[in-house]
Amino acid sequence: GENVEQHPSTLSVQEGDSAVIKCTYSDSASNYFPWYKQELGKRPQLIIDIRSNVGEKKDQRIAVTLNKTAKHFSLHITETQPEDSAVYFCAALLTGGGNKLTFGTGTQLKVEL
Amino acid sequence: NAGVMQNPRHLVRRRGQEARLRCSPMKGHSHVYWYRQLPEEGLKFMVYLQKENIIDESGMPKERFSAEFPKEGPSILRIQQVVRGDSAAYFCASSPRPPSLNEKLFFGSGTQLSVL
Repeated sequence: GENVEQHPSTLSVQEGDSAVIKCTYSDSASNYFPWYKQELGKRPQLIIDIRSNVGEKKDQRIAVTLNKTAKHFSLHITETQPEDSAVYFCAALLTGGGNKLTFGTGTQLKVEL
Repeated sequence: NAGVMQNPRHLVRRRGQEARLRCSPMKGHSHVYWYRQLPEEGLKFMVYLQKENIIDESGMPKERFSAEFPKEGPSILRIQQVVRGDSAAYFCASSPRPPSLNEKLFFGSGTQLSVL
């Protein structure tokens, strides 16, 4: 069925380094790709999103890239800080599955001092 | 705007009891989604509702689970005869327009259901 795969499942970086999380999707008609950050015991919060008519979007230290041909998109966090530590979820609006947001399995990011 | 409100935050039930989870969407939002999250796992879609209509329930188990979003009042996710495997965090999200228009989803704080 339609799904979203996310890698890696865990990621440790040193403070100040960059972190990259990658996702692939199966539905070529998908056209909306948000990223959510979830801190322990809290709600998922939208941090950035990208639509299929653009290839890259940046918001301060966070950027997302989209390769529609390869059906993958990535989250880039530069100059990581301890408060970036959380679980990050990618998602895709899979039109083949009835127009619902389907999430990846999450990446536990740990930023070490 | 108070955001998406879910209650209770924590719900403890014994096996065989019923669980009722409530979700009030953001003001002006008429589209509600329920997701289930197991420990250290992602968010699994359960059901998508508009006012008085179930649009997509493909992710919801056929038995014991039901959802509604009445004309007045919150959306309710109901689990009958709960089993230990139902223990999870249940998140509600809302949007002002349908997903085909790529609207952002705003999540509530979730209800942590624990079945003893």
